[in-house]
Amino acid sequence: GESVGLHLPTLSVQEGDNSIINCAYSNSASDYFIWYKQESGKGPQFIIDIRSNMDKRQGQRVTVLLNKTVKHLSLQIAATQPGDSAVYFCAENEGSSARQLTFGSGTQLTVLP
Amino acid sequence: KAGVTQTPRYLIKTRGQQVTLSCSPISGHRSVSWYQQTPGQGLQFLFEYFSETQRNKGNFPGRFSGRQFSNSRSEMNVSTLELGDSALYLCASRRTGETNTEAFFGQGTRLTVV
Repeated sequence: GESVGLHLPTLSVQEGDNSIINCAYSNSASDYFIWYKQESGKGPQFIIDIRSNMDKRQGQRVTVLLNKTVKHLSLQIAATQPGDSAVYFCAENEGSSARQLTFGSGTQLTVLP
Repeated sequence: KAGVTQTPRYLIKTRGQQVTLSCSPISGHRSVSWYQQTPGQGLQFLFEYFSETQRNKGNFPGRFSGRQFSNSRSEMNVSTLELGDSALYLCASRRTGETNTEAFFGQGTRLTVV
């Protein structure tokens, strides 16, 4: 993810609409990616993951798309609900020898009634 | 199945003191990683343990240390606390030593240094 100081992008969507949260990652050797959701005062919650040999993976109401050509990852949330309001982080595992996740700066999603 | 448990949830310490934080991974998980989260720097990797061995360490001073026990529980220690150590300290566990697998986080320990 973007390893920069924290200007936190924000995204506001109407309840019921679809949300798309984007993430640019830095290392072309990254082979595994995770999306996390973090609500205020809580730890990051695992949402969905994808390996670099895939370009799409679907979960319940969520889809992750991976474009290795441009090093871009996106999280799509269908029929966004108020409970989806949180900060969303993408994290990358930078190759098989890496034993840590590198996190992006996060996106604040606000769901409007 | 219980999730990752971190204790304590909140701590207030004075500059110069030391602190020990505890993490119990999900049952059956053998890998434990620690991260520091601050508003200015985001989530930053501290260290990772597997089978009681530290396999990787992030770019933090030697005041930050950790260990893992035979039951996979882990502790991290920060000595000579500084104001800048105030942060949310997060622990994540993985079932195996493979790093391209799901990592689950605990609720964190909120450390405030005054």
